Amino acid sequence: SAVISQKPSRDICQRGTSLTIQCQVDSQVTMMFWYRQQPGQSLTLIATANQGSEATYESGFVIDKFPISRPNLTFSTLTVSNMSPEDSSIYLCSVAGAFFGQGTRLTVV
Amino acid sequence: KQEVTQIPAALSVPEGENLVLNCSFTDSAIYNLQWFRQDPGKGLTSLLLIQSSQREQTSGRLNASLDKSSGRSTLYIAASQPGDSATYLCAVVEYGNKLVFGAGTILRVKS
Repeated sequence: SAVISQKPSRDICQRGTSLTIQCQVDSQVTMMFWYRQQPGQSLTLIATANQGSEATYESGFVIDKFPISRPNLTFSTLTVSNMSPEDSSIYLCSVAGAFFGQGTRLTVV
Repeated sequence: KQEVTQIPAALSVPEGENLVLNCSFTDSAIYNLQWFRQDPGKGLTSLLLIQSSQREQTSGRLNASLDKSSGRSTLYIAASQPGDSATYLCAVVEYGNKLVFGAGTILRVKS
């Protein structure tokens, strides 16, 4: 199993600003995954973060909007850049296809 | 592209009832299938994982079945309790541990 600490748990941000979400895992993992859950919808994969290489983004998501860092095998960050109200969602990190952080509830005003 | 559908979207039952949640997927080339529970503000909790070679998995009052050829899975909850109230998500596990989620079933168990 894996325990994932994600922060912040929630934030309210002004449009046009950026927010960086952190995800810390209690064990070393090769891949970390970032998901988005828009209001009333299910989870959608944003990107896969591998240590030592560029993140792989899913269709509809781009690096300029969602830059990801993966400096080591236990940590990753997702930045939501130049935010608009449409970015208001819950963002979750995940490992091993089974373990999730608590999520970050982002509201953009 | 894999698509996962869950029926019903919402369900309200009295305490003690047995219930079935349904999940279907379009591409049978899956590695595993998982059922999650989502509680507000608490992230996701994995309930059951069914390997693609398996037909079912059981944990306590929960039983999940998988029919890969027909692209279907069911989650059976026996003797439901108010504490079972949550959103239940079905997710297909693809290559590289990527998950494709259904929209979920919102379950309310009334006491």
